Amino acid sequence: ETGVTQTPRHLVMGMTNKKSLKCEQHLGHNAMYWYKQSAKKPLELMFVYSLEERVENNSVPSRFSPECPNSSHLFLHLHTLQPEDSALYLCASSQSILRDIYGYTFGSGTRLTVV
Amino acid sequence: AQKITQTQPGMFVQEKEAVTLDCTYDTSDPSYGLFWYKQPSSGEMIFLIYQGSYDQQNATEGRYSLNFQKARKSANLVISASQLGDSAMYFCAITTGGTSYGKLTFGQGTILTVHP
Repeated sequence: ETGVTQTPRHLVMGMTNKKSLKCEQHLGHNAMYWYKQSAKKPLELMFVYSLEERVENNSVPSRFSPECPNSSHLFLHLHTLQPEDSALYLCASSQSILRDIYGYTFGSGTRLTVV
Repeated sequence: AQKITQTQPGMFVQEKEAVTLDCTYDTSDPSYGLFWYKQPSSGEMIFLIYQGSYDQQNATEGRYSLNFQKARKSANLVISASQLGDSAMYFCAITTGGTSYGKLTFGQGTILTVHP
């Protein structure tokens, strides 16, 4: 499979559960990102990783914990979430963290519902 | 800080006609890049077109063109010969600074519906 792959596509979890979102890119990119897309709000950048090192945490609550074990994989670990965390979580990658005219390649997202 | 404004929550267009989706931006950085993305109901964000702040000509990619008016800080997307498959959410986004990390700031989006 090519591009950016996110699993699972849909996730329903209780507020006391622990789950993880997975993102994998097969593009040889060096930078990966997590974005949150809530209804009626612009996409919000959550985390930025460059060469497996976190370079940005955009004031995200600690109940979201990212992990980047290598340049091809990015995880978002979730625990004790709130209903307002229900959203589409999008992973993206780019050649580098510098501005790139080709922009970012996004995955299809994980639709998360917290009950 | 940078900001993107898309004032059209929804747009309708007849198949085969052209449509313009509005985008205005605000940044104090002289170096920036503007992007348009398409998001179908499947959720994936698809890159459409890019315009750099120092580019002399308006960007074009197939049926997509960008009407870049720097003085007015607008970067409208023009889709020519609309197709049913163009029905989707469209986002304008900006990134600034040549050496800063590539943080994208998105607008609220415009839902485009193409009628047969």
